[in-house]
Amino acid sequence: DAKTTQPNSMESNEEEPVHLPCNHSTISGTDYIHWYRQLPSQGPEYVIHGLTSNVNNRMASLAIAEDRKSSTLILHRATLRDAAVYYCIPYNNNDMRFGAGTRLTVKP
Amino acid sequence: NAGVMQNPRHLVRRRGQEARLRCSPMKGHSHVYWYRQLPEEGLKFMVYLQKENIIDESGMPKERFSAEFPKEGPSILRIQQVVRGDSAAYFCASSQPAGLNEQFFGPGTRLTVL
Repeated sequence: DAKTTQPNSMESNEEEPVHLPCNHSTISGTDYIHWYRQLPSQGPEYVIHGLTSNVNNRMASLAIAEDRKSSTLILHRATLRDAAVYYCIPYNNNDMRFGAGTRLTVKP
Repeated sequence: NAGVMQNPRHLVRRRGQEARLRCSPMKGHSHVYWYRQLPEEGLKFMVYLQKENIIDESGMPKERFSAEFPKEGPSILRIQQVVRGDSAAYFCASSQPAGLNEQFFGPGTRLTVL
């Protein structure tokens, strides 16, 4: 299983962009990079995933390095509701391995 | 379309009792996953099931824990003779068959062992 490294915590101001980094230097060629987030007292929810190309959806954008050893989740305009723990998960089978994630705090 | 449902949401047991946690997957989903989350930690994979089959139980403790996903009815995670260290949030997720499908998580069951 690929090991991931994420900052323990990050802070952002409301309405500003947030870039959440993840290092996954041991990722295999078939692993997709998934991002989930967990709001307080809730189960995780899917955010986005990608393989090699950058991806966009209504929640966020995912920028994947050319060598795939790192990726960055981009929230274009952070809101208070985005305060959560964000998990980066290289994944190619059915047992997702969650690390400690990054706890994002959004200040008004 | 209801999401993943788990019950009970909160469960209190005394040491030595049994805990039964239930998970109803989303409609159309035949794959179920169980995770455990200790306080202030990330989720840890426990088991992956399809209807009537355990596909991967590499994250399950070898003793006291079992899981099933019968042909009819919810998936059950069963913990026998609970100990204080079993106190945690247990999350269930479901997905559509095959491939790298998004997992949809339930709200979790918070187990407290007194």
